[in-house]
Amino acid sequence: KAGVTQTPRYLIKTRGQQVTLSCSPISGHRSVSWYQQTPGQGLQFLFEYFSETQRNKGNFPGRFSGRQFSNSRSEMNVSTLELGDSALYLCASSFNYRLAGGTGELFFGEGSRLTVL
Amino acid sequence: LAKTTQPISMDSYEGQEVNITCSHNNIATNDYITWYQQFPSQGPRFIIQGYKTKVTNEVASLFIPADRKSSTLSLPRVSLSDTAVYYCLAGYSTLTFGKGTMLLVSP
Repeated sequence: KAGVTQTPRYLIKTRGQQVTLSCSPISGHRSVSWYQQTPGQGLQFLFEYFSETQRNKGNFPGRFSGRQFSNSRSEMNVSTLELGDSALYLCASSFNYRLAGGTGELFFGEGSRLTVL
Repeated sequence: LAKTTQPISMDSYEGQEVNITCSHNNIATNDYITWYQQFPSQGPRFIIQGYKTKVTNEVASLFIPADRKSSTLSLPRVSLSDTAVYYCLAGYSTLTFGKGTMLLVSP
């Protein structure tokens, strides 16, 4: 079956603009989480959605937001882009909300690489 | 929230066994330990998850001592293709991957 699909794969924006990234989870998966990866900070958790509700949120400013639709697809938005937002944004899906105490098996997409000029 | 600490990098040679240790001193009673592998320009891939003692699958083993304050991912007979970043996560409260351990396998 198809894996996690993220679009677009690459994009270039300028400071002050906003961007919307899309994630289509594996068919049947209902949980989606988002991450930002940079060389300096590593892989950082942004937020997690299950059944259209945000369940957890990482330590990012309010410029970063997301949502999940009834078909489990998810989008994240970054407003008023800054140079430091340049990163690889990864999305992961899992069948159900994570097992109590563990991450369970998360399936990641290939990411959307954002460059802010 | 269980914070993990793991080495920044490790070097090995083909055919050797590699053990990567992760420290999670404040792990909660219900927390599991999960390891992921990431190759450049790809998303992480689940390797193994465990709660206590030993868990083994076709690619790795996970050793967790009785106090559960640390865990060790064991990769038997590594090859060049095992060169990757390995992440240790404890618990589920925050999906904190951090910077992981960069494993470099040389011929």
